[in-house]
Amino acid sequence: AQSVTQPDIHITVSEGASLELRCNYSYGATPYLFWYVQSPGQGLQLLLKYFSGDTLVQGIKGFEAEFKRSQSSFNLRKPSVHWSDAAEYFCAVGARTYNTDKLIFGTGTRLQVFP
Amino acid sequence: DTGVSQDPRHKITKRGQNVTFRCDPISEHNRLYWYRQTLGQGPEFLTYFQNEAQLEKSRLLSDRFSAERPKGSFSTLEIQRTEQGDSAMYLCASSFGQGRYEQYFGPGTRLTVT
Repeated sequence: AQSVTQPDIHITVSEGASLELRCNYSYGATPYLFWYVQSPGQGLQLLLKYFSGDTLVQGIKGFEAEFKRSQSSFNLRKPSVHWSDAAEYFCAVGARTYNTDKLIFGTGTRLQVFP
Repeated sequence: DTGVSQDPRHKITKRGQNVTFRCDPISEHNRLYWYRQTLGQGPEFLTYFQNEAQLEKSRLLSDRFSAERPKGSFSTLEIQRTEQGDSAMYLCASSFGQGRYEQYFGPGTRLTVT
């Protein structure tokens, strides 16, 4: 069965420091992978996506992610974190069953940024 | 592009009451999804519409839940005889086309059952 694991429940970084959020997936075929960000009480905003091609994908707000098939990983990175990046981050895999293109999410990583 | 909208944003109800939520997808999107998110968890798939046809329902969607998308535009999610375990954020998402999974989410409706 398809699944997504985000091993880090909570990460704290200082503003200006680099960031890497981990994501591992389980999926039988070529995965479609996503990172979403959710601010408190809000819906999810798409940061970036991987469908095929270049394994390093760029997203909004200075984020990037690298797809590594051999490690079944899709880690999110940012070279310098801003205080406004504090939020919850969700990794998701697109899973097609019958005619449904649903998303399967990890449990999320909460990012806290200290000044 | 006004984005996906949901109404209401918050709903407090007493156990046993019925509630209905509305989702308006991005206008050209033919695919609509409902997810449920409980505290500390990622969203979980509930159901999916392609145009007006409901093509899949999760096992999470008990008989007390019903969803419609009558004209292939907005959708409603109704919960009958609410239980405290129904307290959650209900998220709607939409997308366009086949074979693409890029879904755009609304702000969600937070349901609290007392």
